[in-house]
Amino acid sequence: GAVVSQHPSWVICKSGTSVKIECRSLDFQATTMFWYRQFPKQSLMLMATSNEGSKATYEQGVEKDKFLINHASLTLSTLTVTSAHPEDSSFYICSAGGVSGTGVYNEQFFGPGTRLTVL
Amino acid sequence: KQEVTQIPAALSVPEGENLVLNCSFTDSAIYNLQWFRQDPGKGLTSLLLIQSSQREQTSGRLNASLDKSSGRSTLYIAASQPGDSATYLCAVIGSNYKLTFGKGTLLTVNP
Repeated sequence: GAVVSQHPSWVICKSGTSVKIECRSLDFQATTMFWYRQFPKQSLMLMATSNEGSKATYEQGVEKDKFLINHASLTLSTLTVTSAHPEDSSFYICSAGGVSGTGVYNEQFFGPGTRLTVL
Repeated sequence: KQEVTQIPAALSVPEGENLVLNCSFTDSAIYNLQWFRQDPGKGLTSLLLIQSSQREQTSGRLNASLDKSSGRSTLYIAASQPGDSATYLCAVIGSNYKLTFGKGTLLTVNP
């Protein structure tokens, strides 16, 4: 299957700083990338959808000025958590979608996640 | 708004037992349904993807079925092993590629 990487895998930062998380599709071109957030013992919640070269679409309740998403190429999307606070501590997972190598339409491939801890 | 429900929330079984995890969704207009496995603190591993035109998919000891009209899917695990212990997530893709996840079933297989 297609491979999606995330960097960093974990990050600890002080309150008020900004953190950038990268999501890369390694062996396919991702027309669409998604960012999810998962709090402890909760399921994944979609934060935003980004299409290459256009603005991201945010889900209701997600602050677009706080969670900046850039999808500058077909293999890279970044999520920047600006002025992070302890309540932003969570597990952030990206996925990349398109047509998979097996020809399945709409299949998404997930990165390994980034654990963010804001002190 | 699509809602995905998974039952049971947690399940503990002895090694070797066959088991069924259930998933239901409210909007039957889906493109496909995926089952994932998530180990603690880790990302997602895709187990099976069923396209909306299919009724089931099999991979090794896993079999997933889809009844789109009734909004249900099941994941059958045969001859469970301790290594199968994880959280199993069901997710459906609707319009705009969006995946909606259930809260998962936490499976513990005891040796």
